[in-house]
Amino acid sequence: SAVISQKPSRDICQRGTSLTIQCQVDSQVTMMFWYRQQPGQSLTLIATANQGSEATYESGFVIDKFPISRPNLTFSTLTVSNMSPEDSSIYLCSVLQGGQETQYFGPGTRLLVL
Amino acid sequence: DQQVKQNSPSLSVQEGRISILNCDYTNSMFDYFLWYKKYPAEGPTFLISISSIKDKNEDGRFTVFLNKSAKHLSLHIVPSQPGDSAVYFCAASAGTGKLIFGQGTTLQVKP
Repeated sequence: SAVISQKPSRDICQRGTSLTIQCQVDSQVTMMFWYRQQPGQSLTLIATANQGSEATYESGFVIDKFPISRPNLTFSTLTVSNMSPEDSSIYLCSVLQGGQETQYFGPGTRLLVL
Repeated sequence: DQQVKQNSPSLSVQEGRISILNCDYTNSMFDYFLWYKKYPAEGPTFLISISSIKDKNEDGRFTVFLNKSAKHLSLHIVPSQPGDSAVYFCAASAGTGKLIFGQGTTLQVKP
């Protein structure tokens, strides 16, 4: 399976600011996804990061709040904009390699917004 | 509308015994199911999966059973070990790559 890293691993931010999370994969992958896990909750898909085009967002998530970039087949970023305490979560990227159906997850980014 | 449900928030099992974690789903379009294990402060780790064309898949101590008519799947861990203590998530996919997760079950294996 692909090796996935995320930066930062954790951060504490002030409300109203923005944070960009990076996801790096050690091999080219077909699809990359961003998920959120709020405290005590399950994992929820935010969006599919499409290479070379705009991300596809799930219901309840919008580009202005969670802009996503995917400049190539091994890298993606998720920005959490104009943060509020409700954005405190673990943010996870995952990947799907061509011909497979199993997603593999990065280690996550723990975000606390004060 | 929760399409994937894990109705047991927690499960406690004695070391060496069987752990059975359950998951129910409502969407008949799901054709691939996965189990992930998650420790605090880590990302989910893939454990085992099953396609809708099968009813059982086994990998070492882990076996997943799928009952399509009941829209139910279960994960069996035999024998359970203290290192298995973690949160277990079931997830389902309808072929789009998008995963829908259950709420998770916290498994505690007591020595």
